[in-house]
Amino acid sequence: QVQLVQSGAEMKKPGASVTVSCTASGYTFTSYYIHWVRQAPGQGLEWMGMINPIGGDTNYAQMFQGRVTLTRDKSTKTVYMELSSLRSADTAVYYCARGHYYDSGSLWAYWGQGTLVTVSS
Amino acid sequence: SALTQPRSVSGPPGQSVTISCTGTNSDVGNYNYVSWYQQHPGKAPKVLIYDVSKRPSGVPDRFSGSKSGSTASLTISGLQPEDEADYYCCSYAATKRFVFGTGTKVTVL
Repeated sequence: QVQLVQSGAEMKKPGASVTVSCTASGYTFTSYYIHWVRQAPGQGLEWMGMINPIGGDTNYAQMFQGRVTLTRDKSTKTVYMELSSLRSADTAVYYCARGHYYDSGSLWAYWGQGTLVTVSS
Repeated sequence: SALTQPRSVSGPPGQSVTISCTGTNSDVGNYNYVSWYQQHPGKAPKVLIYDVSKRPSGVPDRFSGSKSGSTASLTISGLQPEDEADYYCCSYAATKRFVFGTGTKVTVL
């Protein structure tokens, strides 16, 4: 069965960077986009960006441009989300989700369990 | 910026409710790639509708989606107690990005 398993909770200081991983199983890793979505405490969902695992090309939300980097390792079927220059407003649960085989596909049927990133001095 | 949804909707069991999702010609109005997600507290979102009106297998048929112009809608026909949750729309948008709605809390009275 399709699974996305994310790395564990992180606690970081302001100004630091954090990397969250998302390891896929149960399907052909290179066939589907991976999206990253975050949710601050008590707030809504926010799309951060997506990566095409076959070629590694990425697209990011404008508000995260320059601070977020998505990469993938095809050998381990893992996607990494790095967010730099952390501030307290980045405290949130970060989710990865499997997209479609084309970039605009809106069926995101599989999600990771979420990773809580806490930014505090 | 985020798509606009009502903050909350409510109704007794069995009633139908509709949640609107208003965007612009750069997102909802220009693409038929609108999806809807249900999220219970502490859980990951679950897709209910994709491509405006398609329902994945396993999603009850009381959930339906539609679109008119730059406004998409999710209708829950016959509210059930387990439908009490937060709901988010999401649309593909220009320059290869996605945008979520502000979210709607559904309360079953």
